[in-house]
Amino acid sequence: GNSVTQMEGPVTLSEEAFLTINCTYTATGYPSLFWYVQYPGEGLQLLLKATKADDKGSNKGFEATYRKETTSFHLEKGSVQVSDSAVYFCALSDLLRSARQLTFGSGTQLTVLP
Amino acid sequence: DTAVSQTPKYLVTQMGNDKSIKCEQNLGHDTMYWYKQDSKKFLKIMFSYNNKELIINETVPNRFSPKSPDKAHLNLHINSLELGDSAVYFCASAHSGTGEAAKGYTFGSGTRLTVV
Repeated sequence: GNSVTQMEGPVTLSEEAFLTINCTYTATGYPSLFWYVQYPGEGLQLLLKATKADDKGSNKGFEATYRKETTSFHLEKGSVQVSDSAVYFCALSDLLRSARQLTFGSGTQLTVLP
Repeated sequence: DTAVSQTPKYLVTQMGNDKSIKCEQNLGHDTMYWYKQDSKKFLKIMFSYNNKELIINETVPNRFSPKSPDKAHLNLHINSLELGDSAVYFCASAHSGTGEAAKGYTFGSGTRLTVV
């Protein structure tokens, strides 16, 4: 079956530090890959996505590249801000019967200190 | 103009009670989901409905019963609530089909259920 393995947190960084959150996946087909972000007390929001190998998703300074050879989709940001403090989820989407199923990693809590 | 709305946002109830959580989406999506998020933030799919038909039914106690009166609504009824049911429950919606896979899901803001 499909699975997503995500770097365990929590991760604490100082403002303007470089961020990497590792994500690897196992899938039988050709999934689409996503990063979702959950700010405190809120639901999940789509941060970025990639649908095929070598695609790079980017948004709000975050980026991730779909690497089929290493089955990875690591999230990076060059300079984090306090407002980036949230839980980040890596996910993959694959078809299951007539519905798509989104499989999530375990989430990584990021705290950015001023 | 909330795309996926859940009610209530907070629910505190006693063990043994029966409660419902409602979800509505105005995005025209044909598939809706319920996810459970535990205290460690782990997200697990519970159910999925496509065009009012139950598609995904993971290993969930049969005290949990989803109901989809139409494509825009997916409610979750829980009987005989237990302490372990305390969690945040998220509703989500999406378009089905291979062409829509890249668009991801749209999530509601969650219902925090506390069983005392």
